[in-house]
Amino acid sequence: DAKTTQPTSMDCAEGRAANLPCNHSTISGNEYVYWYRQIHSQGPQYIIHGLKNNETNEMASLIITEDRKSSTLILPHATLRDTAVYYCIVRGGNTGKLIFGQGTTLQVKP
Amino acid sequence: ETGVTQSPTHLIKTRGQQVTLRCSSQSGHNTVSWYQQALGQGPQFIFQYYREEENGRGNFPPRFSGLQFPNYSSELNVNALELDDSALYLCASREDRGNTEAFFGQGTRLTVV
Repeated sequence: DAKTTQPTSMDCAEGRAANLPCNHSTISGNEYVYWYRQIHSQGPQYIIHGLKNNETNEMASLIITEDRKSSTLILPHATLRDTAVYYCIVRGGNTGKLIFGQGTTLQVKP
Repeated sequence: ETGVTQSPTHLIKTRGQQVTLRCSSQSGHNTVSWYQQALGQGPQFIFQYYREEENGRGNFPPRFSGLQFPNYSSELNVNALELDDSALYLCASREDRGNTEAFFGQGTRLTVV
């Protein structure tokens, strides 16, 4: 399973876009990029996932570089409730195993 | 609301005891995984079950075992509890097909004293 590298922490002003980067330089061709977030002491919440095309849903957008070695999760209008630990995970199609790193602690400030 | 429920929410056990944690998955989700999350760390994969058979395991000793039942419920059993087993235990379920997302329960907070 490919490993991911994320910044330990980031701040974002409320109402602004939050851009969370992730490096996954050893990703294989059949591995997807998943993003989850975890608000204090709750179970991880699924946000979005993608293979090579950019994806958007009601929560966020996922931008994957053409070489697939990095990606960015974009929360278009961050609110205080978006304060959480965000995990970038690479997962192969034949395994359900999610390998979590330390994630990025996003602090949204008023 | 993910449709995945875990019980109990909190639990205190004594070192050396055994514990059973329970998870109820969404209907139709035949794959369930269990994770251990120590304080300040990301979740660590324990094992995965598919249609009542274990089909993947992380770096956890045999005293961590599981069961999955046809009614979309599952159990995590831990024998001979150690102080380091204190953690948040999470279960996650997903559909069978391809790269679908996993939905997590709220977890069981286990404290071993």
